Amino acid sequence: DTGVSQDPRHKITKRGQNVTFRCDPISEHNRLYWYRQTLGQGPEFLTYFQNEAQLEKSRLLSDRFSAERPKGSFSTLEIQRTEQGDSAMYLCASSGSAAAYEQYFGPGTRLTVT
Amino acid sequence: GNSVTQMEGPVTLSEEAFLTINCTYTATGYPSLFWYVQYPGEGLQLLLKATKADDKGSNKGFEATYRKETTSFHLEKGSVQVSDSAVYFCALPGAGGTSYGKLTFGQGTILTVHP
Repeated sequence: DTGVSQDPRHKITKRGQNVTFRCDPISEHNRLYWYRQTLGQGPEFLTYFQNEAQLEKSRLLSDRFSAERPKGSFSTLEIQRTEQGDSAMYLCASSGSAAAYEQYFGPGTRLTVT
Repeated sequence: GNSVTQMEGPVTLSEEAFLTINCTYTATGYPSLFWYVQYPGEGLQLLLKATKADDKGSNKGFEATYRKETTSFHLEKGSVQVSDSAVYFCALPGAGGTSYGKLTFGQGTILTVHP
């Protein structure tokens, strides 16, 4: 297994546009997490899935944000009507249920909203 | 909710120097505690963990002891190398219930080691 992968690695978009990011977790992991990291800060939790069920969403996840994991494998995070404040690194992580806090992170998608 | 406070950085050391990065936490009960590391250009990876009070986590020469009396989990290494240059994050789980699985991170400490 090659680990958690994210696509794209970088995205530049204009304010008001929609963007979608993809995460492919480690294949045997049933839990998948999204975090957001801004410069000089630690990752902040956005949401997580166990299989295809979205079990928790942070208050940070406004209604412009939506995440899916339709078949319990890869996940997508969509941001509608992007704002400059959405500029950040979006991190995906996965884990098994037995060791939920031992999370394996992808390299992240850096979003820049101009 | 659970939270973690990490010493402000950055930290700059010479090779073979002793390293301490402070981390204190606020939590309900006694959750597991973690240190994650982010090397340049790479994703975060788990460095070490401790699952109960007085446990010592260790990996790659790094150690951290879970001190419930001082609610601390300081990261130490006796002799740092240039390859240890990275950003280090202290982390703990969210509180129970549906927060199980959510990690709360400190703001990170940038470590630079010079030859």
